[in-house]
Amino acid sequence: GAGVSQSPSNKVTEKGKDVELRCDPISGHTALYWYRQSLGQGLEFLIYFQGNSAPDKSGLPSDRFSAERTGGSVSTLTIQRTQQEDSAVYLCASSVDGGSGDEQYFGPGTRLTVT
Amino acid sequence: GDSVTQMEGPVTLSEEAFLTINCTYTATGYPSLFWYVQYPGEGLQLLLKATKADDKGSNKGFEATYRKETTSFHLEKGSVQVSDSAVYFCALRNDYKLSFGAGTTVTVRA
Repeated sequence: GAGVSQSPSNKVTEKGKDVELRCDPISGHTALYWYRQSLGQGLEFLIYFQGNSAPDKSGLPSDRFSAERTGGSVSTLTIQRTQQEDSAVYLCASSVDGGSGDEQYFGPGTRLTVT
Repeated sequence: GDSVTQMEGPVTLSEEAFLTINCTYTATGYPSLFWYVQYPGEGLQLLLKATKADDKGSNKGFEATYRKETTSFHLEKGSVQVSDSAVYFCALRNDYKLSFGAGTTVTVRA
């Protein structure tokens, strides 16, 4: 079956612009995660959605970052007023239900470059 | 907070050599432990996992044992191939969050 998909695969934007990154999880997975992979910080957790529960936003680095998940499926990560330090690969993952034994399946990522 | 420390690379080996990548962790409670692999140009994939102390995860000839007494989860493979060239990430999971190590780049020469 189809895996996690993300779009765009690459995004180049100017400093100060807003960007939206999209994630389509595996069908039927209720848990969705965003991570960021950057040279300076490695792989870091950003946000977690599980069903209709309030998301865990504890990993978002600033209030310029926000995310939503519509209809329990597709998720959009929005970065406002982008800065050069936002340049990174943004990874989305999904899992069946977020349980402790649950495997997280990762998408190919969106490479964001802020010039 | 939770953290993972893994051996820094890069690591370069010849084919059929023995590979070890050290990984230690700090965590509250009883986390699950994972090794993920990222092949060139591909996404992150789960390589193996262990969910409790003394469990051994294994896949594709790789093994790692969950050692609670030493808070370690070292990755080993007895005979590497060129196709094992990749970046390897050690990770732990408490609740739903994964915390990753910095990654170790492994290059295997023919």
